[in-house]
Order: sequence, then structure tokens, then C-alpha cells
Amino acid sequence: TQLLEQSPQFLSIQEGENLTVYCNSSSVFSSLQWYRQEPGEGPVLLVTVVTGGEVKKLKRLTFQFGDARKDSSLHITAAQPGDTGLYLCAVRGDAGNMLTFGGGTRLMVKP
Amino acid sequence: DTAVSQTPKYLVTQMGNDKSIKCEQNLGHDTMYWYKQDSKKFLKIMFSYNNKELIINETVPNRFSPKSPDKAHLNLHINSLELGDSAVYFCASSQAWTGAKVGYTFGSGTRLTVV
Repeated sequence: TQLLEQSPQFLSIQEGENLTVYCNSSSVFSSLQWYRQEPGEGPVLLVTVVTGGEVKKLKRLTFQFGDARKDSSLHITAAQPGDTGLYLCAVRGDAGNMLTFGGGTRLMVKP
Repeated sequence: DTAVSQTPKYLVTQMGNDKSIKCEQNLGHDTMYWYKQDSKKFLKIMFSYNNKELIINETVPNRFSPKSPDKAHLNLHINSLELGDSAVYFCASSQAWTGAKVGYTFGSGTRLTVV
């Protein structure tokens, strides 16, 4: 069983549609990060959320940390082909700075 | 200017060979990592070094040996390569070992194929 479960695993949508992807766990975390990975590249940090209920916006992307700090969601408004990629959530273990990643959501936005 | 650079980008080799992957970061970060991404895109930590000292060594076969000659470099040597070692290996760095808001900067990966 993975520490972080991401859903859906795959998502294919048309340009202009809205979507939400989820990152869930039964554990409580002090912080959670979202990364985006494009083909042939390494993951790139999008955002860090640290407070239960916190909402952060990055242009058309809205990130929310659950009130109980066990889960998070990423909502994309009016998706564009440039949003295509693998979206990964990650949390830091109690031992320190080691990031543990979820299995990712592969998003494809068709023109 | 590349922040975290890995070489080579692609590596194809035969079973039983020994190979190395190099990683360098020019961010002045204290901590560096090696991750393995399998065919299902799952990223798993292998090693973590802080100021040239090994902090984490997850359940990785001892055929894998990291070396950190200085804070800016973390190389990965693999002995007696096996088919199951085929994956994409990512180097990453972070400003510090601890800190809730500290993020990782990843290299672009090394795709290792063992034939």
C-alpha cells in the first residue's frame, strides 16, 4: 500500500475543460507538495501547502490542502495542451527532508 | 544555466556490466538525492546525502554505490547490472535537509536500459 494514493491515474480531456485530481492518505502531514513532470524531464515543483484548509493559486491551477492535512486536490481551469504532463504529490517523512511521492496522475489535454 | 545536470542522458548496456551516472548541482544546495522512476512512473528514493554524508539508504541492492566527492556532486555507480535495473534515474538537490517548505530541484534524468 502506497503512502499517497493519487486519482485518477490517467485523464484525457479536451482543451478548455476543467479538471480536478486528488492526492489522498490516511496519514497526517506537516506539508504537501505538488510537482509536474513533462516527458523527458524531471519533476518541477509547483507549490507547497502547509496549513490545513489552505488554498493556493498558480494562474489557472488551484491547490487545496485538506482540513485534516491528510489529502490535497489540484484543480485546473480551462485546461490547455501545455498542461499535459504527470502530476505528482509528495510529502516529507517524519525523519526529515526525504520526499515520498504518490503514483501520479497522467494528464493529456488535446487541442 | 542548468541547475542540476546529469550525465549521460541515455545509457544502454549489457547485463553484468558496471556503469556510472554523474550528477552536479550549481545551486549551492546542501542535500542531494538519487531517485529511481520505474516504467509505471513511480518515483522511489534510493539515497540521500547531506554535506557529503549519507543520510538515507533505502532498501537498495549493494550493487548500487553512491559517491559524493563534494557538496555539489553526487555520483551513482552500479555494478553487475541486471535487467531489472532498467529505469530512469533522477538526481535532485534541496537547500537543506529539513524544512516543510523546502522543495527539490531535479535533473532531467538518465534513462538506463539493460539488455
